[in-house]
Amino acid sequence: GNSVTQMEGPVTLSEEAFLTINCTYTATGYPSLFWYVQYPGEGLQLLLKATKADDKGSNKGFEATYRKETTSFHLEKGSVQVSDSAVYFCALSDGGNQFYFGTGTSLTVIP
Amino acid sequence: NAGVTQTPKFRILKIGQSMTLQCTQDMNHNYMYWYRQDPGMGLKLIYYSVGAGITDKGEVPNGYNVSRSTTEDFPLRLELAAPSQTSVYFCASSQRGSGSAHYGYTFGSGTRLTVV
Repeated sequence: GNSVTQMEGPVTLSEEAFLTINCTYTATGYPSLFWYVQYPGEGLQLLLKATKADDKGSNKGFEATYRKETTSFHLEKGSVQVSDSAVYFCALSDGGNQFYFGTGTSLTVIP
Repeated sequence: NAGVTQTPKFRILKIGQSMTLQCTQDMNHNYMYWYRQDPGMGLKLIYYSVGAGITDKGEVPNGYNVSRSTTEDFPLRLELAAPSQTSVYFCASSQRGSGSAHYGYTFGSGTRLTVV
């Protein structure tokens, strides 16, 4: 079946530090991959996506590359800001009627 | 642009009580979903709908019911609330089903439910 595994949190970084949040997946076929962000007290928002192998999704300075050979979709940002503090969810879609979400990784950025 | 609106934002229920979580979207999306988010467990699909009058079960439907009488509304009903239903509930919508999954969901801001 389909599943997503994310690195355990919480993650605490200083402002301007480099961020990596690891995500690996198990799926049949060729899924689409997503990163969602959840700010405190809010719902999930789509951050970026990639629909095929070697695609790079990017948004707001965040990037993730769809690596079929390692079944990974790691989220990176070169210089985090306090406003990036949130919970980040990796997710996949196999084109069916639901998404499969990871357990989320909480990020806190301190000034 | 309201997007997906959920009410209430918070609710405390006693064991055995019932309630309806409301969800409305104004984007004319045909697909709508209910997820629950438990700490450390990610999001689990409860029910989904592919259009008005059509609903189907997700991973964890027991203890819940849904209806979809209009494109805009997708209420979730809890009958005989149990402590295991303590969770944060998210409603979401998307423009199409398979294929539009590539475009992602629009989520509501959630309902935090506690059953005591």
